[in-house]
Amino acid sequence: GQQVMQIPQYQHVQEGEDFTTYCNSSTTLSNIQWYKQRPGGHPVFLIQLVKSGEVKKQKRLTFQFGEAKKNSSLHITATQTTDVGTYFCAGVSGGYNKLIFGAGTRLAVHP
Amino acid sequence: DAGVTQSPTHLIKTRGQHVTLRCSPISGHKSVSWYQQVLGQGPQFIFQYYEKEERGRGNFPDRFSARQFPNYSSELNVNALLLGDSALYLCASSLGTANTGELFFGEGSRLTVL
Repeated sequence: GQQVMQIPQYQHVQEGEDFTTYCNSSTTLSNIQWYKQRPGGHPVFLIQLVKSGEVKKQKRLTFQFGEAKKNSSLHITATQTTDVGTYFCAGVSGGYNKLIFGAGTRLAVHP
Repeated sequence: DAGVTQSPTHLIKTRGQHVTLRCSPISGHKSVSWYQQVLGQGPQFIFQYYEKEERGRGNFPDRFSARQFPNYSSELNVNALLLGDSALYLCASSLGTANTGELFFGEGSRLTVL
């Protein structure tokens, strides 16, 4: 079945350092979405990528979708304490009508 | 506009009991998805309903069932509760099905099974 893996599981950075989380799927994805969940909160949508090789930016966040549409990454430049939370990727495979989440990367930012 | 609302927010049950969780989607959204999130893990897909029909099912036992009503609200039912069913149950609404865009999550129903 469809599986989405994320690494690292946990990342601990000093404020101002960069952060990257990686997402890999066992199957080709029709699209990939990224969500952020603050401690005690619920997942909040960040972005959706659909095209092979697509790169999108949101201020300090850069999202990439791999050429083979089986992997993706989220890069945060110059982290801030407001970036704290767990970042999830979630993908949809063709033929599966379900959005499957990775296990997430928990980001801790120390001032 | 109200977001996705879920009830109850917290509940405690004992093994073998049954639970019903409720979800009201954002106005205009026709799709509701249910996810189970165990502490420290990602949301696990349980069901998706679109226009009152089941459109996707995850790897959960038959003890889990759901339905969507004509007003697009939804219920998740879990029978014969096990300790391992303790989790945050998230409902998410969307305009279309899984391929068509972002999910808007509710705050969740936290279920504790003793």
